[in-house]
Amino acid sequence: AQRVTQPEKLLSVFKGAPVELKCNYSYSGSPELFWYVQYSRQRLQLLLRHISRESIKGFTADLNKGETSFHLKKPFAQEEDSAMYYCALSRSGAGSYQLTFGKGTKLSVIP
Amino acid sequence: GAVVSQHPSRVICKSGTSVKIECRSLDFQATTMFWYRQFPKQSLMLMATSNEGSKATYEQGVEKDKFLINHASLTLSTLTVTSAHPEDSSFYICSAPRTDQGNGVSPLHFGNGTRLTVT
Repeated sequence: AQRVTQPEKLLSVFKGAPVELKCNYSYSGSPELFWYVQYSRQRLQLLLRHISRESIKGFTADLNKGETSFHLKKPFAQEEDSAMYYCALSRSGAGSYQLTFGKGTKLSVIP
Repeated sequence: GAVVSQHPSRVICKSGTSVKIECRSLDFQATTMFWYRQFPKQSLMLMATSNEGSKATYEQGVEKDKFLINHASLTLSTLTVTSAHPEDSSFYICSAPRTDQGNGVSPLHFGNGTRLTVT
């Protein structure tokens, strides 16, 4: 069975400091990994997906199959980055829809 | 703006009653929708996949007779929690994939969720 682990429930950083939200996964197939974000009082929305290899709002994430990780990084945190972040995995062959989520990490950026 | 609408956002019901939650795709058709459940400080857990025109597919451990899913049209899926009990109190979230947009746009859109409290 697939599993997504986000070891940190809460991460606090100062504005301008680098951010790394950790995500490790367990899956026997070839996974598709995502990061979703939920800002205060808003719905869950996609931040980025590993197959796109893109940077969104300054965030990047690289899939490391050797370490089974998909950590989310940003070099300089902004106050507006404060939110709940969820790492998610899609089973191979299921498209991007049937997701297994981690428990989430709450990022707090201190002004 | 929102592309998936979920209603109601909050509902309180008595034990033993049934509650229906609606999930609508607003400006696109969704042959498939997904229902998630989230306990406090826990992750979102996929409950079932709702399929228009056919039976829903339930995840292991989810009681299909307890959580009735009906995908009535290409824009509407409903989740009915039957004979609700306090342990069914949770946050229920629906999502729908949107496949009519190009690369780089999120294919999966989420509703705002429904907070169910069973007294």
